[in-house]
Amino acid sequence: AQSVSQHNHHVILSEAASLELGCNYSYGGTVNLFWYVQYPGQHLQLLLKYFSGDPLVKGIKGFEAEFIKSKFSFNLRKPSVQWSDTAEYFCAVTHSGAGSYQLTFGKGTKLSVIP
Amino acid sequence: GAGVSQSPSNKVTEKGKDVELRCDPISGHTALYWYRQSLGQGLEFLIYFQGNSAPDKSGLPSDRFSAERTGGSVSTLTIQRTQQEDSAVYLCASSLGVSSHSYEQYFGPGTRLTVT
Repeated sequence: AQSVSQHNHHVILSEAASLELGCNYSYGGTVNLFWYVQYPGQHLQLLLKYFSGDPLVKGIKGFEAEFIKSKFSFNLRKPSVQWSDTAEYFCAVTHSGAGSYQLTFGKGTKLSVIP
Repeated sequence: GAGVSQSPSNKVTEKGKDVELRCDPISGHTALYWYRQSLGQGLEFLIYFQGNSAPDKSGLPSDRFSAERTGGSVSTLTIQRTQQEDSAVYLCASSLGVSSHSYEQYFGPGTRLTVT
């Protein structure tokens, strides 16, 4: 079965600091990769997704992620965080196969940005 | 446009009672998913519906859990004889389809279930 690991449970940064959240998955086949964000009191929203093509994908609000197939990784980055980025971030994967459309999520990383 | 809606937003029930949770997907979305978000387990897949195909029930944790989707739209998740470990936020998501161009899942606000 596929699984997703997010290495950091809670990250605390000051505004303008750079962010990198780690995500590794375990599945040897073709995968689709996602980062979702859950702001306090709000529902899950898609930040960005990778299906194929350029392994560097750009999402909303200045976020980007790089798919490195050899490392089974899909790390999320942002050059300069803002207080409004305080949220919980979830990495998710689905693999390209018949009937395999459900998302497998990591445990999430809470990001706290200090003004 | 309208997003995925779920009702009720909060539900408190006594252990042993049955509960029904409702999901209204985005209009025109053919695929519908249920997930559960709990403190210990994170986000877990429960069940998936796509069009008229048989649902993928592989994530349901026990036979106390069931779901149906009527008319290809609204879905109801039913939990019978609720237990305290069923306490969680139940999330519904829908997607336009399941091809790579239509696969993005849109999530509802969830139903917070508390079993006392």
